[in-house]
Amino acid sequence: SQQGEEDPQALSIQEGENATMNCSYKTSINNLQWYRQNSGRGLVHLILIRSNEREKHSGRLRVTLDTSKKSSSLLITASRAADTASYFCATENSGGSNYKLTFGKGTLLTVNP
Amino acid sequence: GAGVSQTPSNKVTEKGKYVELRCDPISGHTALYWYRQSLGQGPEFLIYFQGTGAADDSGLPNDRFFAVRPEGSVSTLKIQRTERGDSAVYLCASSLSGLGVNTIYFGEGSWLTVV
Repeated sequence: SQQGEEDPQALSIQEGENATMNCSYKTSINNLQWYRQNSGRGLVHLILIRSNEREKHSGRLRVTLDTSKKSSSLLITASRAADTASYFCATENSGGSNYKLTFGKGTLLTVNP
Repeated sequence: GAGVSQTPSNKVTEKGKYVELRCDPISGHTALYWYRQSLGQGPEFLIYFQGTGAADDSGLPNDRFFAVRPEGSVSTLKIQRTERGDSAVYLCASSLSGLGVNTIYFGEGSWLTVV
């Protein structure tokens, strides 16, 4: 079963614009991670935010986490055509199975040159 | 190797046949995971190995699916009597340890098509 739900399902923007993707989840978590996937191939880990953190930055990426609303957002600033990919949030749920990631369905981001 | 390696990258098989998918994790990673991703969906957990043992196989859909990791390194996912619904990308991943906060590294996946 899938825990995370990304929103929107698809997003199309122009190069240079910012892209914001949201993720909602249902149960308590230890951490939340964002992954990128090109053309249905391997997943690349982007960033991890722990449940006691509210915001994290990595280069052009900014992730926020609101555990009271069970939601997270991924902001990509100054987007490039090479950022075109699917983006997934994945939660590591608290309560024992802390090795298991539960993924959402993903947001397909298209950055037009 | 530098990353998680999966073979074959693509496999087309006939319904009812047996299939093996191989995963070579990052050297030194004790934790290994198999996920399955259907078209338009996110990956779904299948099984987790810590060393040689399957610590959690709760995600395997039925008894046609089995995975081994006999020496604590390479793992093989085995699917018997394949069905068309088994068509998906099978993703393998590894991490340094399954405990605590570890970055999980994914392979490129094995595309399985059952015709």
